[in-house]
Amino acid sequence: EVQLVQSGAEVKKPGESLKISCKGSGYSFNSYWIGWVRQMPGKGLEWMGIIYPGDSDTRYSPSFQGQVTISADKPTSTAYLQWSSLKASDTAMYYCARRKKTYYSGSYHYYMDVWGNGTTVSVSS
Amino acid sequence: QSVLTQPPSASGTPGQRVTISCSGSRSNIGSNTVNWYQQLPGTAPKLLIYTNDQRPSGVPDRFSGSKSGSSASLAISGLQSEDEADYYCAAWDDSLNGVVFGGGAKLTVL
Repeated sequence: EVQLVQSGAEVKKPGESLKISCKGSGYSFNSYWIGWVRQMPGKGLEWMGIIYPGDSDTRYSPSFQGQVTISADKPTSTAYLQWSSLKASDTAMYYCARRKKTYYSGSYHYYMDVWGNGTTVSVSS
Repeated sequence: QSVLTQPPSASGTPGQRVTISCSGSRSNIGSNTVNWYQQLPGTAPKLLIYTNDQRPSGVPDRFSGSKSGSSASLAISGLQSEDEADYYCAAWDDSLNGVVFGGGAKLTVL
């Protein structure tokens, strides 16, 4: 069974650093892009960025570029999302998701087919 | 303000057919396929429709998707109480070079 299992809830203070994880199993982790999605309390989904674990090629949404770092570790089949200095506005649920590719009408198209269980991050003084 | 526009809410009675719209632009829906995600209360999003109108294995055929120009729609027929959830559309945006989501539509089964 394809699964993405995320690390547990975190409670942090502003200015602290944090790294949350997303461990893949049941498939070839290095061969699929992994994306990160933010959901602030009571709000919708926001795409943060994506990484290809095979070569660590990483793309960021302009809204999150410079605010977070996405990385991956091939031997442990784990992707990471990290902050160097948290802000209260980082309080949210964070999801990782696998990106799958399909060939349609002459070109490739993508969708997030498997999602992690989510990691709640609370930042408060 | 989300790049893709969805109505904030939708509702219907059991057995009814409900549609949820998703409006975009040439750089996203107009140029790329649309995916739909269902988020039941307190859970992670789940893929519902991909590539405009394809259902993953296990998704009932009561759910269907369509796309025309820069807009897309999700239709749910034979509405059931367990369909109460938030529904999000998503597409790649060529200008932003990333995935854009709709703001989500909260479906209530009356």
